[in-house]
Amino acid sequence: AQSVTQPDIHITVSEGASLELRCNYSYGATPYLFWYVQSPGQGLQLLLKYFSGDTLVQGIKGFEAEFKRSQSSFNLRKPSVHWSDAAEYFCAVGVRRKLIFGQGTELSVKP
Amino acid sequence: NAGVTQTPKFQVLKTGQSMTLQCAQDMNHNSMYWYRQDPGMGLRLIYYSASEGTTDKGEVPNGYNVSRLNKREFSLRLESAAPSQTSVYFCASSERGQLNSPLHFGNGTRLTVT
Repeated sequence: AQSVTQPDIHITVSEGASLELRCNYSYGATPYLFWYVQSPGQGLQLLLKYFSGDTLVQGIKGFEAEFKRSQSSFNLRKPSVHWSDAAEYFCAVGVRRKLIFGQGTELSVKP
Repeated sequence: NAGVTQTPKFQVLKTGQSMTLQCAQDMNHNSMYWYRQDPGMGLRLIYYSASEGTTDKGEVPNGYNVSRLNKREFSLRLESAAPSQTSVYFCASSERGQLNSPLHFGNGTRLTVT
């Protein structure tokens, strides 16, 4: 069955430090790949998506993600984290017109 | 521009009670969805409506019913609430499907069933 794994439940980074959030998927073909962010008390917002083409995709708020077929991964990165980036981040995989979400990674940012 | 509006924001029910969660969107989107969010489980799709007049089961439909009242509104009903339905419920909409256009989410309804 198709699945999405976010290995890190909670990550803490210092403000200004770089960030990488991991996402691995299990699917035979290249799926559609997404990252969503959920700020406290709110719904999710799309950060970026990958359908095909260039494996490095740029999103909103300075985020980027890289699709690596050999590793079945779609990791999210940001070069310099801001305090306002504290939130929960969800990786999602689109398979047969359905979206499957990972368990989420909670990001804390320390001053 | 309100986007996706969910009511109520909080609700406490006793086991066996019924209630309806309301959702409305003002973006003229064709597709609407109900998800539940539980700790460590991510979001799971309960029901969806690809277009006005159609509804389909998602991953976890048992214990729920839905109504796509019109293009704007999509309600979720719990006929006989159970403690296992304690969760945060999110309504979402998209222009066309879950993959080809972004999902726009409401702010959620936190439901507790005692």
